[in-house]
Amino acid sequence: RKEVEQDPGPFNVPEGATVAFNCTYSNSASQSFFWYRQDCRKEPKLLMSVYSSGNEDGRFTAQLNRASQYISLLIRDSKLSDSATYLCVVTPGSARQLTFGSGTQLTVLP
Amino acid sequence: DAGVTQSPTHLIKTRGQQVTLRCSPKSGHDTVSWYQQALGQGPQFIFQYYEEEERQRGNFPDRFSGHQYPNYSSELNVNALLLGDSALYLCASSSLLDGWDTEAFFGQGTRLTVV
Repeated sequence: RKEVEQDPGPFNVPEGATVAFNCTYSNSASQSFFWYRQDCRKEPKLLMSVYSSGNEDGRFTAQLNRASQYISLLIRDSKLSDSATYLCVVTPGSARQLTFGSGTQLTVLP
Repeated sequence: DAGVTQSPTHLIKTRGQQVTLRCSPKSGHDTVSWYQQALGQGPQFIFQYYEEEERQRGNFPDRFSGHQYPNYSSELNVNALLLGDSALYLCASSSLLDGWDTEAFFGQGTRLTVV
């Protein structure tokens, strides 16, 4: 079983749609959680950290459920520029490496 | 402020050869991590360097080795290249603050093709 699992995708949605990505992680000792965005053939960039209380950044909302070991990302009012691969990332326990899911590809259609 | 820079951007090598990839961290960062990203997969952690020492290592064979210099720049070396080593190699830099790593910034990567 992979340490971080994501919806395989791809997701193709029209502009203005709301889209949700889900992620589960296997290591209950994981301490930090993130969503990264990776454009085609580019490097990953931090989109947002994820906190137990949930957090929002404009059209993006991230949620963490430690009991279920589940992370989500909600994108409202999708824009063409949101087209990218979204990577769920955890930092396991006291380890410092980032553990990535395989990513979910999103294409927002005009 | 220059971000994380990696060189070269692309590289083609033959099976069995050795390769060295280079990384300069973002200004103010002292920690460098290396990741391998195969096509269609998320990046996988290779190792991390801090204070010129390997601080943590992922599940990669000894053919993968690294080095960090006093100016915090880093190299990734891969010996006896296999076709399966073809991937995008990403360098990420961060700092240690109060025992925690700050946000990691990634370089644009080196795309290695082994033929």
